[in-house]
Amino acid sequence: KQEVTQIPAALSVPEGENLVLNCSFTDSAIYNLQWFRQDPGKGLTSLLLIQSSQREQTSGRLNASLDKSSGRSTLYIAASQPGDSATYLCAVRPSYNTDKLIFGTGTRLQVFP
Amino acid sequence: EAQVTQNPRYLITVTGKKLTVTCSQNMNHEYMSWYRQDPGLGLRQIYYSMNVEVTDKGDVPEGYKVSRKEKRNFPLILESPSPNQTSLYFCASSSGLVTGELFFGEGSRLTVL
Repeated sequence: KQEVTQIPAALSVPEGENLVLNCSFTDSAIYNLQWFRQDPGKGLTSLLLIQSSQREQTSGRLNASLDKSSGRSTLYIAASQPGDSATYLCAVRPSYNTDKLIFGTGTRLQVFP
Repeated sequence: EAQVTQNPRYLITVTGKKLTVTCSQNMNHEYMSWYRQDPGLGLRQIYYSMNVEVTDKGDVPEGYKVSRKEKRNFPLILESPSPNQTSLYFCASSSGLVTGELFFGEGSRLTVL
């Protein structure tokens, strides 16, 4: 059974720092992995989608990497800003059941000025 | 503007009183899905739909019904709500189940007394 874990559950950093959020999954048979951002009281916003054949995806200050064999993905945020404060979730789509999307419980990030 | 719209955003109701949460998307997406989000449990899929008149159960379908009579709409029906259905509900849609990004609505916070 696929399980997705995000550690740490919460992170607080000063503005300007480069930081890495981690996502681990137990079964390497995935079709793709997606990173989302969730602001308090809001829905999820898709940040990056990485197909299983890809190693990384970049969008602005965000870079997501995928290492299927080790069951890990990282979201790198460069030069963090207070506006980056939110909860970040990763989700994997298993190869054996592409109808499903299995979510981690998220990392709550606070960037202070 | 491309979006997924849910209504109502907030609702307090009593046990046993039928309610419907509507979801509509304007992106001509074939795939739509409902999730609930609970503290410590993350996002769990309730039902999903691959296309009009095609619906399937997710991980936690008990106590819920859905219908997909039109491509753009995917309402979630609680025939007889109970307190354990108090949660934050999200509707999502995607152009392609496997390769497409998932777009979420703003969420509907439901409290059942």
